[in-house]
Amino acid sequence: QSALTQPASVSGSPGQSITISCTGTTSDVGGYNLVSWYQHHPGKAPKLMIYEVTKRPSEISNRFSGSMSGNTASLTISGLQAEDEADYYCCSYAGSNTFIFGGGTKLTVL
Amino acid sequence: EVQLVESGGGLVQAGGSLRLSCEASGFTFSSYWMQWVRQTPGKGLVWVSRINSDGSSTSYADSVKGRFTISRDNAKNTLYLQMNSLRAEDTAVYYCARESFWSMDLWGQGTLVTVSS
Repeated sequence: QSALTQPASVSGSPGQSITISCTGTTSDVGGYNLVSWYQHHPGKAPKLMIYEVTKRPSEISNRFSGSMSGNTASLTISGLQAEDEADYYCCSYAGSNTFIFGGGTKLTVL
Repeated sequence: EVQLVESGGGLVQAGGSLRLSCEASGFTFSSYWMQWVRQTPGKGLVWVSRINSDGSSTSYADSVKGRFTISRDNAKNTLYLQMNSLRAEDTAVYYCARESFWSMDLWGQGTLVTVSS
């Protein structure tokens, strides 16, 4: 099974908003409301930012939000900050007790 | 402190075996499903395997099915990944993760596995 499709890179200036898309199929993203998003700084443990498409862990800033339309989920980061620069991955339940990640998106804060 | 600590990575020849461990602390390990995820050098995260809370149900990515075995010892608060018939393409940093609400809410720092051909 191929990885979910994410843009390889996105960029934005401090204070701006950016959106990262994650496109799958009806067998994964579109078939379940079970998409999660992770922030990964190289050399560190990945960090859960969004789960079940739109829900945010209590410790995560409300600058991070998730949404979904059809087979595409999206992560929006508003009020970009320098510390947001990282790799971001989406992940979806894919049925039969399996999961699938996206290819990852490198966010650059200009 | 709530944490996961992986160990057992290293250099192994193609065709060889390795067992990874992931020790949990600071939470009730036996209540959670657990996962293994890997990241190949310069590439993205890839889901590897999942196990339910009592170890009775497991699942695997097609790329490792039949070669890798996930297991757990709830008395020792430890998750395992037995990796056999290793290939060069299994070279990666392996992360263990705690599952909650169909997501991975706690991750370890990872352990590097290098398979030489």
